[in-house]
Amino acid sequence: NAGVTQTPKFRILKIGQSMTLQCTQDMNHNYMYWYRQDPGMGLKLIYYSVGAGITDKGEVPNGYNVSRSTTEDFPLRLELAAPSQTSVYFCASSYSTLAGYNEQFFGPGTRLTVL
Amino acid sequence: GQQVMQIPQYQHVQEGEDFTTYCNSSTTLSNIQWYKQRPGGHPVFLIQLVKSGEVKKQKRLTFQFGEAKKNSSLHITATQTTDVGTYFCAASSNDYKLSFGAGTTVTVRA
Repeated sequence: NAGVTQTPKFRILKIGQSMTLQCTQDMNHNYMYWYRQDPGMGLKLIYYSVGAGITDKGEVPNGYNVSRSTTEDFPLRLELAAPSQTSVYFCASSYSTLAGYNEQFFGPGTRLTVL
Repeated sequence: GQQVMQIPQYQHVQEGEDFTTYCNSSTTLSNIQWYKQRPGGHPVFLIQLVKSGEVKKQKRLTFQFGEAKKNSSLHITATQTTDVGTYFCAASSNDYKLSFGAGTTVTVRA
């Protein structure tokens, strides 16, 4: 199993450009998450999904959009990139049920710089 | 989501010494998880605590959940260079969203 994979690893965008960060997991997890991590800070939840076709906002959703058409994929879309979106983006997945909440598996991250 | 505060933000430790990092919340938590992130890496799950007063050990690491389920600690004995990194606590209340603390970044002096 590859676990959680993310592409690209690095990207430089100009202000106002758009891009999609890709995330794929092969563990058949129902929950998927997008976080951003600013230097020296913890992780802030952007969006999450509890299953295909269902997404919801986290703490810092402004400027981002997501979709979840399959169990495996959870792409994050940045529209009109701004310097404030310079960060490291992590995708994560977990298998959780009403009976219990399990660990999150993280991808290697995408380092995004907006100039 | 739950707000969790972690202290200290930085921990500089002499190799072989012990240290503790703390995670505190103003509200009762359903569970708490701990993650470790090596420099330049991604967070990796260490452990989950669910029960009041629970204590779990992983070799030199001891994790504790407070009796009131509002705080947690991670104690590392005989620190080694392999312990370098940032340790995050993450908590949830009654949903499947985790709120991460800001982390304790550990450096080790050989």
